[in-house]
Amino acid sequence: AQSVAQPEDQVNVAEGNPLTVKCTYSVSGNPYLFWYVQYPNRGLQFLLKYITGDNLVKGSYGFEAEFNKSQTSFHLKKPSALVSDSALYFCAVRDIQTSGTYKYIFGTGTRLKVLA
Amino acid sequence: DTAVSQTPKYLVTQMGNDKSIKCEQNLGHDTMYWYKQDSKKFLKIMFSYNNKELIINETVPNRFSPKSPDKAHLNLHINSLELGDSAVYFCASSQRTTFTDTQYFGPGTRLTVL
Repeated sequence: AQSVAQPEDQVNVAEGNPLTVKCTYSVSGNPYLFWYVQYPNRGLQFLLKYITGDNLVKGSYGFEAEFNKSQTSFHLKKPSALVSDSALYFCAVRDIQTSGTYKYIFGTGTRLKVLA
Repeated sequence: DTAVSQTPKYLVTQMGNDKSIKCEQNLGHDTMYWYKQDSKKFLKIMFSYNNKELIINETVPNRFSPKSPDKAHLNLHINSLELGDSAVYFCASSQRTTFTDTQYFGPGTRLTVL
């Protein structure tokens, strides 16, 4: 079965500094990878996804993620963090079932705290 | 316009009661989902319906019964509520025909069982 791991429960970064939220994956076949963000008391919002093509994927709110096949990683990055980026971030992978259908497996989430 | 809406937003009830959560999407998507997010923020899929047909049914107690009257609605009924059912339940939708579908989540329903 496919899986994703987010090794950090929390990441703290100063406003204006670059940020990285880590995600590693384990899949058989081509990975379909996603990042979602959850603000307090809200549902998840899609940020970006990697399906195929360029390893650097650009998404919403200035975020980007780099797909690294050799390291099986899909880290989320932003060049300059904002206080408003403080939220819970989820990495997800598509898991194809034996029935042919598929579902999404979410990581455990990483809380990003941007300090003013 | 809210893309994926859920009602109620908060639900507080006693153990043993039966309750329902409703979900509606106005995105024209063909697939809808229910997720459970526990107190540690772990998010796990429970069910998925594609064109009103159940396609994903995780290991969920049969006290939980989803119902999809049409493609735009997916309701979740829970019988004999237990303390461990306390969580935030998220509905989501996507368009599976694209095969690389992005999910759109509702705002969540916080269920507290006393």
